[in-house]
Amino acid sequence: DVKVTQSSRYLVKRTGEKVFLECVQDMDHENMFWYRQDPGLGLRLIYFSYDVKMKEKGDIPEGYSVSREKKERFSLILESASTNQTSMYLCASSRTGADREKLFFGSGTQLSVL
Amino acid sequence: ILNVEQSPQSLHVQEGDSTNFTCSFPSSNFYALHWYRWETAKSPEALFVMTLNGDEKKKGRISATLNTKEGYSYLYIKGSQPEDSATYLCAFLDSSYKLIFGSGTRLLVRP
Repeated sequence: DVKVTQSSRYLVKRTGEKVFLECVQDMDHENMFWYRQDPGLGLRLIYFSYDVKMKEKGDIPEGYSVSREKKERFSLILESASTNQTSMYLCASSRTGADREKLFFGSGTQLSVL
Repeated sequence: ILNVEQSPQSLHVQEGDSTNFTCSFPSSNFYALHWYRWETAKSPEALFVMTLNGDEKKKGRISATLNTKEGYSYLYIKGSQPEDSATYLCAFLDSSYKLIFGSGTRLLVRP
């Protein structure tokens, strides 16, 4: 089974802190994604990566950056956390061309910024 | 702007009831339609990936249909059980491989 692991289930940070959310997948998937889920909204794409050291902006990249130094790891960075970044963050991965890009998700990180 | 709409937003049913909900998506540039189930405190899990107009997929008591010409998909659950309680997400994949999610239908099945 594909496993996508996110480093923290719950995280509480203060405004202005730099926050790292880590995601690791164990199935050699090329593609990795970061989404956020807010009540009443669909999953919104923050950043994605189709290869090592490659990154693309999603729909809501402002206030975030990412790092993909190794194929299995995709990190989301909040440069200076703000209260409007309080959200559920989901990491996902997929194999290029397989099963029309079906996503495998981590279990999410609920981030609270105080 | 690509929009994926799901209805209803939430649904409460009694154990044993059958239920269905809808996903509406753009009818142009279609590549695939995904359905995911997201149980509380777990990872969203893919139920179906549908690609052809008229597709019907089934997994146990859950099935889905697809109409790409008019831009909708239905998810059906026959004889709902409490363990079916979850949020059901659909996502539209267009020909540029952009995946757009709906806001989900939250299903609660009462014993």
